[in-house]
This record gives sequence, structure tokens and C-alpha cells, in this order.
Amino acid sequence: GQQVQQSPASLVLQEGENAELQCNFSSTATQLQWFYQSPGGSLVSLLSNPSGTKHTGRLTSTTVTKERRSSLHISSSQTTDSGTYLCAINTGKLTFGDGTVLTVKP
Amino acid sequence: EAAVTQSPRNKVTVTGGNVTLSCRQTNSHNYMYWYRQDTGHGLRLIHYSYGAGNLQIGDVPDGYKATRTTQEDFFLLLELASPSQTSLYFCASSGTGGSQNTLYFGAGTRLSVL
Repeated sequence: GQQVQQSPASLVLQEGENAELQCNFSSTATQLQWFYQSPGGSLVSLLSNPSGTKHTGRLTSTTVTKERRSSLHISSSQTTDSGTYLCAINTGKLTFGDGTVLTVKP
Repeated sequence: EAAVTQSPRNKVTVTGGNVTLSCRQTNSHNYMYWYRQDTGHGLRLIHYSYGAGNLQIGDVPDGYKATRTTQEDFFLLLELASPSQTSLYFCASSGTGGSQNTLYFGAGTRLSVL
């Protein structure tokens, strides 16, 4: 079965609303990372969070390793947050989920 | 910021054709990776390498060869391209393969096999 499952598959918000993205994984992971893919296709790393809670700007990631899940919270969403958010686990190599497509409307 | 450069950015070939995708990173990273991304899917690992001359098999290696000629350069080879290999290909690099490393991605190569 798929090692990394993300939900929801897509999410539509009004600007200013908060987003909550979920990532569940089936393997023991030494690392978990969140990536952002722009509508144009470019990929950037957002956060590395193997356990606990991490913040950067409007992003908060909480990973509960024992329960094999992680979440990414985006506060006060902006139209420029639109794109695909990918979760990846490191089990010696990075394995990605299928992503959550976020659309933020003005 | 780490720099990873892929070429070409777009490529069209015919079934049975020979294609080479190039990737260069200029930050002395040890690890380099080739991924493919298809509509509705996340990235799937084709091959990776942890140094010049080294090659590791990823999750979807069939139909692909790769070669790491130097620390900077990692090539992906499709010797008999098939339509199923039409995809968006990403190269990435990282300092180590350990749990604290960050992946830096190239801009991607869009390949169409007709």
C-alpha cells in the first residue's frame, strides 16, 4: 500500500481562512518534510519536522511520530499560498505523498 | 541557496527514441536524485546517487538508466523511450542522505514521448 497518504486531496478557501493539511505514513520515518509546489511546477522545501511542533511564518507543522501522522497548518491564507503541498518521509530515501491542492480565492 | 540546473526544460521525442536528461548542482552536495511526477501523483524516485560513480535504484527504475559522472553532474537516460515515460522529471540534491538534510530541486524537465 501507499506509504504516505495526504488529505484532503484538494481544498478551496477564501483569503484569510486557515488551512489544515494532513499526512499519514505507514513506515517508520526518520524525518518528515513538507514541500510546496507552485502552480508553475517549482518545488521548495517548507519545513523539516520529525516530531513535535515547528513554526515558520504562517506555517505550523505538528508531527506525532508514534501515531505516524503530521499536519501542516496555514494561518490567514493568501492567494499566493495556492499550489500543491507535498508531504515526504525519509526512510533512507524520500517517499512523497500525492499532495493536497490548495486554492485560495480572493 | 543551492542551485540545481536541469536541461533541457522541455523535450519531445518519439517512441523508441534516445533521450538524456541532464542535471548539475553547484553546491558540492553528495546526494543527487531523479524523480518523475505524473498528474495526480506525488514524486516517485527513479534513481539516486551518493557520489561520483555511485548509483542506487529507486522505486520506479524500469526503463531508465542513470549515471553520476562527477559530484556535480547526474544524468538520466531513456534508451528506448515509451509513451508511458511522458512525465515531468525533477532532479534534486542534498548535502547528505541523513534525516536532517534538505532537498533542493531543479526547475523540472517536461518530456513528451509521442
